[in-house]
Formats: sequence, structure tokens, C-alpha cells
Amino acid sequence: DAGITQSPRYKITETGRQVTLMCHQTWSHSYMFWYRQDLGHGLRLIYYSAAADITDKGEVSDGYVVSRSKTENFPLTLESATRSQTSVYFCASAGGGSYEQYFGPGTRLTVT
Amino acid sequence: AQSVTQLDSQVPVFEEAPVELRCNYSSSVSVYLFWYVQYPNQGLQLLLKYLSGSTLVKGINGFEAEFNKSQTSFHLRKPSVHISDTAEYFCAGSDLSGNTPLVFGKGTRLSVIA
Repeated sequence: DAGITQSPRYKITETGRQVTLMCHQTWSHSYMFWYRQDLGHGLRLIYYSAAADITDKGEVSDGYVVSRSKTENFPLTLESATRSQTSVYFCASAGGGSYEQYFGPGTRLTVT
Repeated sequence: AQSVTQLDSQVPVFEEAPVELRCNYSSSVSVYLFWYVQYPNQGLQLLLKYLSGSTLVKGINGFEAEFNKSQTSFHLRKPSVHISDTAEYFCAGSDLSGNTPLVFGKGTRLSVIA
């Protein structure tokens, strides 16, 4: 199906474990983004990518790693999960020049 | 740097009453502005956007917003709300210095009371 998907939708992991959240879009959008949503903070940018193999840090990038080897995929890895990374994570994509971002359904991550 | 402030964290309103959700932005350059809606356990959906042209922007579900450059505001309005409008609303902005990511406000929780 066309659109933007995230997997898994729910994840529980333990402190110190590595976790990868997947994001896939079918529009061939050049731009992709990762945000985290926490109560009282709105959405905060973790990383973004302007094209394959081009990534840049956002406001809250510490503890996260991204890669983008293919235009349609933008995985987010928590190298060693901490309780402070318990959050809802949203992936988004945008076509060049439109500035409008399309959001995935989110991944709810709990770190115990 | 661009920043977006939503002036109310929660707005309760009775069904069929009008509502205004307030958003102010700060930027030294021209901006693109957006309103997104988030229903429970869902992602964000675009309500409307201002890129240029007419300062009154109409969106989906009967919402509209007015871009006011002198007051650096982009308030969202609806003349008559429904129970189904209960959701979280986010104002966001992006400046024109390249394809920079959106900066979001902290959100306004709209609760429509029957």
C-alpha cells in the first residue's frame, strides 16, 4: 500500500539493549524525519535526511543513530536504550520544496 | 531561529460553539506555517498550510487559519465544533533557508463537551 509505515508499532525493551525502529515510505520523497513525542514537549526532531546517504542531527540526537542507504527507508537505532528514551516515535517524509510532511502512525517504545 | 508557541495547552469548548486555538511564531525571515491534528493513538494529519498568497487559509473539517504578519500569529478557528474534533492540535513552522525541518509548538488539547 502507498504511504508511510512504521514498525514495530509497539516495543518494550530493557535498558542497555539496542533497538531499531523502521520507517518505510512509498512516495520516493527525498526528505525523511524522525521525531519523538513526549507530554509537554510536543514533537522534537531527532534526525533528518535530505536524500539517501545524507543525514543531519536534530534537537535531541544524543543516543540515536540513523542510516539511509535507500530513499524509501530511514531506520532509527537506539544504540543502548535508556529509560529517558521511552516515548512515541514518529517518522515523516516530504517531497522536495513542498515543506508539507506526511507522518507515519508512530511507534510506542517503552524502556524498562 | 524559528520558534513556535501555542498559547493554550488545553481548550475545553461546548459542542457547536466556536473555537480559536492560538499560535505565535518568531522568525526574522518569511515562513511557511502549518496546523496538524492528532487523534488518539494516531499520527499527525495536516489540517491546513500557509505558504504564500491569501492570508486566510481554509483546511479540512471546516477549520481555517489566518496568517497575520504584523502580529506574527497563525490562529486556528472553527465556527462550530463537533465531538469528533476532540484531539491534539499542533502548530508548526519552517523558514525558507533551505528545506529545514518543521519546528512544532507543544500542542493544544481541544476537548469538545457535549
